Amino acid sequence: GDSVTQTEGPVTVSESESLIINCTYSATSIAYPNLFWYVRYPGEGLQLLLKVITAGQKGSSRGFEATYNKETTSFHLQKASVQESDSAVYYCALGEPNTGKLTFGDGTVLTVKP
Amino acid sequence: AQTIHQWPVAEIKAVGSPLSLGCTIKGKSSPNLYWYWQATGGTLQQLFYSITVGQVESVVQLNLSASRPKDDQFILSTEKLLLSHSGFYLCAWRHPGPYSGNTLYFGEGSRLIVV
Repeated sequence: GDSVTQTEGPVTVSESESLIINCTYSATSIAYPNLFWYVRYPGEGLQLLLKVITAGQKGSSRGFEATYNKETTSFHLQKASVQESDSAVYYCALGEPNTGKLTFGDGTVLTVKP
Repeated sequence: AQTIHQWPVAEIKAVGSPLSLGCTIKGKSSPNLYWYWQATGGTLQQLFYSITVGQVESVVQLNLSASRPKDDQFILSTEKLLLSHSGFYLCAWRHPGPYSGNTLYFGEGSRLIVV
């Protein structure tokens, strides 16, 4: 079946440091999967951070970016300089186009120290 | 703007007792609706989805059921809770139609502890 593997947390970085959360996927039943990063901030619901629906494209939001790499089946999340407010749980997800079905990774807890 | 509201925010229930979790979406006609669940320490997984009122499809069998009594309402329930039902339940909606993309918009979730 389809699966997503992401950096096992928790991850702790200091403010202004760079960040990378790895995500690799296996899409055995989906020819052209969509890829997502969702985030859950403390006390809030799960919200979309960024998405990319076409291989080779890059998505970006709030200083985060991720590139859909079909060759390496990866969708790593990166940020050049994190802030304390980025502390949250980050989920990588694989989507079957136009179905609403998402396969999630286990989530990565990120703590940014001031 | 669309809003999604889940209730209750959290519950502690006894094994064998009934459960009802609710979800309401405002500001969107005929949304596709979804229930997702995350066991403690586990992965988010889809439980049910609904394309239209009165129709619900089950994705994973967990001795739970779902219903869509109104266009904007999605209910998750069971008559007898199991310890394994503990976890975090998320309701989500998507724009209707086959070519509307598959971005899901999630509610804030309901945390359930079964004791």
